[in-house]
Amino acid sequence: GQQLNQSPQSMFIQEGEDVSMNCTSSSIFNTWLWYKQDPGEGPVLLIALYKAGELTSNGRLTAQFGITRKDSFLNISASIPSDVGIYFCAGYSGGGADGLTFGKGTHLIIQP
Amino acid sequence: DTAVSQTPKYLVTQMGNDKSIKCEQNLGHDTMYWYKQDSKKFLKIMFSYNNKELIINETVPNRFSPKSPDKAHLNLHINSLELGDSAVYFCASSQEWLAGGFGETQYFGPGTRLLVL
Repeated sequence: GQQLNQSPQSMFIQEGEDVSMNCTSSSIFNTWLWYKQDPGEGPVLLIALYKAGELTSNGRLTAQFGITRKDSFLNISASIPSDVGIYFCAGYSGGGADGLTFGKGTHLIIQP
Repeated sequence: DTAVSQTPKYLVTQMGNDKSIKCEQNLGHDTMYWYKQDSKKFLKIMFSYNNKELIINETVPNRFSPKSPDKAHLNLHINSLELGDSAVYFCASSQEWLAGGFGETQYFGPGTRLLVL
């Protein structure tokens, strides 16, 4: 099946810093999704991207659908303690449910 | 009121047993999903179902079967449980198929932690 390389695997940053993470693949995707998961909770959809080159913001979060359709990035500006969690990217290539592939997650840890 | 609820929250059972996990959403959504998250936090979509069709991830063993008694419920039945089935199972819902380009918001349940001994 398709694979997504999500990096970095973990990030240790200071409160107030900007954060950047990305997902890359050798395959083309039609849709990119970004989720956040808090400990003990289910994932929460942050941003959905449907067109190559699309740049979408949700508050302090900004995500882009790469022009090659093989990558996407998520930026968080001016991080705050509640940004702590695991961030997942997911790419959808069409077809059945197995067309939705998740990255392995980026663990974000914020030091006060 | 909880938008997407799952029961039970924890499920501990023996290998070979058959078990079910229930999911209910009160959002009036047409599409529901089941996901599996393993011990390394890796997420995989298992099924997507709306009132029109069931979309199956072909990598999911046929021991897993979703059952929808009505639009608000999508239960997950697991036959002949195996050790590797231990994971957290999440139910979710959205109005349309999430990746279909409709700009949908998806809501997840709190998860069911399944441990097979």
